[in-house]
Amino acid sequence: NAGVTQTPKFQVLKTGQSMTLQCAQDMNHNSMYWYRQDPGMGLRLIYYSASEGTTDKGEVPNGYNVSRLNKREFSLRLESAAPSQTSVYFCASLLRDKGFEQYFGPGTRLTVT
Amino acid sequence: GENVEQHPSTLSVQEGDSAVIKCTYSDSASNYFPWYKQELGKRPQLIIDIRSNVGEKKDQRIAVTLNKTAKHFSLHITETQPEDSAVYFCAASKNSGYALNFGKGTSLLVTP
Repeated sequence: NAGVTQTPKFQVLKTGQSMTLQCAQDMNHNSMYWYRQDPGMGLRLIYYSASEGTTDKGEVPNGYNVSRLNKREFSLRLESAAPSQTSVYFCASLLRDKGFEQYFGPGTRLTVT
Repeated sequence: GENVEQHPSTLSVQEGDSAVIKCTYSDSASNYFPWYKQELGKRPQLIIDIRSNVGEKKDQRIAVTLNKTAKHFSLHITETQPEDSAVYFCAASKNSGYALNFGKGTSLLVTP
């Protein structure tokens, strides 16, 4: 099992450009999450999907959209990137009702200039 | 919403000493409290967790204690080693499938 995978690993965008961060898991998990990590701020939830077909806003959703494409995949889209979105983005997944542990992907380091 | 406070933000100990990191939470409905370790440039990884029906849990040199009345929980690392150096995050959640609310992290440095 690859676990949780994310692409790309690194990305540099110019202000106003758009891009989609991809996340996939092969553990048959039903819940998936997107977090951003900034220095001194811990991990903050952007969006999550408790199960296939549902998505909900987290603490910092502004400027982002998500798609739960199927059970395996959960993508995060930046429609018009801003320097404030420079961050490390982590995807995570969990098997609901079978425990509480969230498994994290390796992260995507995004820089917006 | 849930607010998780974590202290200290940095902690430096000598190898072999103990390290204690403390967290408080605001939502009394929270019932799951994990601790994650994150090494530089790596993903967070779960090291220990505790649920609200338990007061203490140990795993070798690591232990977590929970005081539901006071709404605080702590991570204890004994006999610290240089490889324990990392950033540690506490978190709180209400139920499986709900998102984790993280503290801001503690950077632990263990010096030989």
